[in-house]
Amino acid sequence: DTEVTQTPKHLVMGMTNKKSLKCEQHMGHRAMYWYKQKAKKPPELMFVYSYEKLSINESVPSRFSPECPNSSLLNLHLHALQPEDSALYLCASSQTLPSTDTQYFGPGTRLTVL
Amino acid sequence: AQTVTQSQPEMSVQEAETVTLSCTYDTSESDYYLFWYKQPPSRQMILVIRQEAYKQQNATENRFSVNFQKAAKSFSLKISDSQLGDAAMYFCAYHTGTASKLTFGTGTRLQVTL
Repeated sequence: DTEVTQTPKHLVMGMTNKKSLKCEQHMGHRAMYWYKQKAKKPPELMFVYSYEKLSINESVPSRFSPECPNSSLLNLHLHALQPEDSALYLCASSQTLPSTDTQYFGPGTRLTVL
Repeated sequence: AQTVTQSQPEMSVQEAETVTLSCTYDTSESDYYLFWYKQPPSRQMILVIRQEAYKQQNATENRFSVNFQKAAKSFSLKISDSQLGDAAMYFCAYHTGTASKLTFGTGTRLQVTL
């Protein structure tokens, strides 16, 4: 089963709101990723977790706060976002880091910041 | 810098015909992995095919096959017997054996016509 799930599918929030995106996988993968994808562009890596520890932070603004409570779950906490943060947020997972294995993606959360 | 180039922003193919999507990459590494991902309007990034650089044999998955030319750093995707469901954005991507970051191309939008 190569399934990564993400909730919610759509999210609309104001610039003063606090919200969270959730990602879950049950493939026993130990590496999980957050990507941001703007329209008609490729995904851009934001964060990588390996064995529940933050491994890579691609200089993402602090208004995005990742959390990995256990090996199956990955959250992205959002606070004081800007309209330019509106995008598709994709979660992915792979066996381990460094990964010779494939990254499997979830369906994404479409975020709109008003 | 590691780069992936997809020179065809858009392609069109008739149903049941064959189409080839181009991808070139630039790396000094000898150990790396190449991927084609498909992203339909539903937004989910779906793995189409994977190729290990150390393997000389071109990967195939049903109607999808690649032409991997290591010396030329070329990794094209051939779709045979095209179907309406093949319509999507196709991203070429790669990562090295020691890195965890997927480097994506800019994508090729494939349209399938009747």
